[in-house]
Amino acid sequence: GQNIDQPTEMTATEGAIVQINCTYQTSGFNGLFWYQQHAGEAPTFLSYNVLDGLEEKGRFSSFLSRSKGYSYLLLKELQMKDSASYLCAVRDSDYKLSFGAGTTVTVRA
Amino acid sequence: TAGITQAPTSQILAAGRSMTLRCTQDMRHNAMYWYRQDLGLGLRLIHYSNTAGTTGKGEVPDGYSVSRANTDDFPLTLASAVPSQTSVYFCASSMTSGVDTQYFGPGTRLTVL
Repeated sequence: GQNIDQPTEMTATEGAIVQINCTYQTSGFNGLFWYQQHAGEAPTFLSYNVLDGLEEKGRFSSFLSRSKGYSYLLLKELQMKDSASYLCAVRDSDYKLSFGAGTTVTVRA
Repeated sequence: TAGITQAPTSQILAAGRSMTLRCTQDMRHNAMYWYRQDLGLGLRLIHYSNTAGTTGKGEVPDGYSVSRANTDDFPLTLASAVPSQTSVYFCASSMTSGVDTQYFGPGTRLTVL
């Protein structure tokens, strides 16, 4: 089966930086996704990594190390609207997505 | 932009009753998916369709059935609901079943009593 681990909760202060880690063990690897999900809403796509290294997109960056089965999502200059769950998902050898349980980030003023 | 729509938004259903959750996309995506999301478990794939006319089983298919008569619609049916099917159901789609990003609908919150 697939195993994707990420912390359950994180709290940070407005304007700060938070790093959400994700480790995975899956049957094959065809890319890693990060989604943002506000309470009661649909997941929305944030980032995609298929090669090792850092992908930067505005205040959000995502890093991948395939050899370590590890990724992180970096949120910079935190804003109150960034309070949400962040889902790590890995696409396996069958091109199906397996999701972690999600990390709930709370941004405090 | 419509994207993906789901209906109903929420539903309370008596155990043993049948229910069809509707999903429609207007992006001409070939692949569509049904997930359930439960607290602490994350999203789990129920069924998928790589293209109109084909369907496949995901991680948790028991108690659910799907059909894909055309590109736009991908209904999910619970033939005889049980309380363990209480969940939030998300439909998603992608251009193809391979390397494309999946986009999610707004979800249906189902409670089975």
